Amino acid sequence: ETGVTQSPTHLIKTRGQQVTLRCSSQSGHNTVSWYQQALGQGPQFIFQYYREEENGRGNFPPRFSGLQFPNYSSELNVNALELDDSALYLCASSDGQGALYEQYFGPGTRLTVT
Amino acid sequence: DQQVKQNSPSLSVQEGRISILNCDYTNSMFDYFLWYKKYPAEGPTFLISISSIKDKNEDGRFTVFLNKSAKHLSLHIVPSQPGDSAVYFCAASSYGNNRLAFGKGNQVVVIP
Repeated sequence: ETGVTQSPTHLIKTRGQQVTLRCSSQSGHNTVSWYQQALGQGPQFIFQYYREEENGRGNFPPRFSGLQFPNYSSELNVNALELDDSALYLCASSDGQGALYEQYFGPGTRLTVT
Repeated sequence: DQQVKQNSPSLSVQEGRISILNCDYTNSMFDYFLWYKKYPAEGPTFLISISSIKDKNEDGRFTVFLNKSAKHLSLHIVPSQPGDSAVYFCAASSYGNNRLAFGKGNQVVVIP
């Protein structure tokens, strides 16, 4: 059984550019959540997708957007990058949305904005 | 605002002794609490959880205690082993979803 994978591992972008991060969820999982972990902080919830629909959003501006595909893989898009967007971006998949559905995290994408 | 708080960012403990990690939360809507462990270059992995209807949950060397009136939980690891050296995150959600609010994490170093 393949775990959660994310690509790329590392990425360097310039302020104002756009970036797309990708996540392949664990086999059979229909729910993907994205988190941003800034240096020295805990992960912060960005949004969640369930069966291709956005299902909850944290306190992030609209320039953070996402997609979930029919195979339940997902993308996180960030437009007009700012220096504060530099962080580790984690995705997590689960087999449902309730609290008892364990989330499995990928290793993350480290984004640096210069 | 930080809804889940972990103080004492780092903890060093001798192998075989007890490690105690503390966590406080402010949101009364939280009713499910989890601890995650994270090694460098890996994603967080689930360790143990507790529902608000319980005050203790045990899994091997790991025990989580919940004091709902104080909005406080703690993780006890006994005995601590060198492989337990990692960052530990406290997280919370409400039962209706698994959107997690995390604390900042505690770095634990177990000295052989």
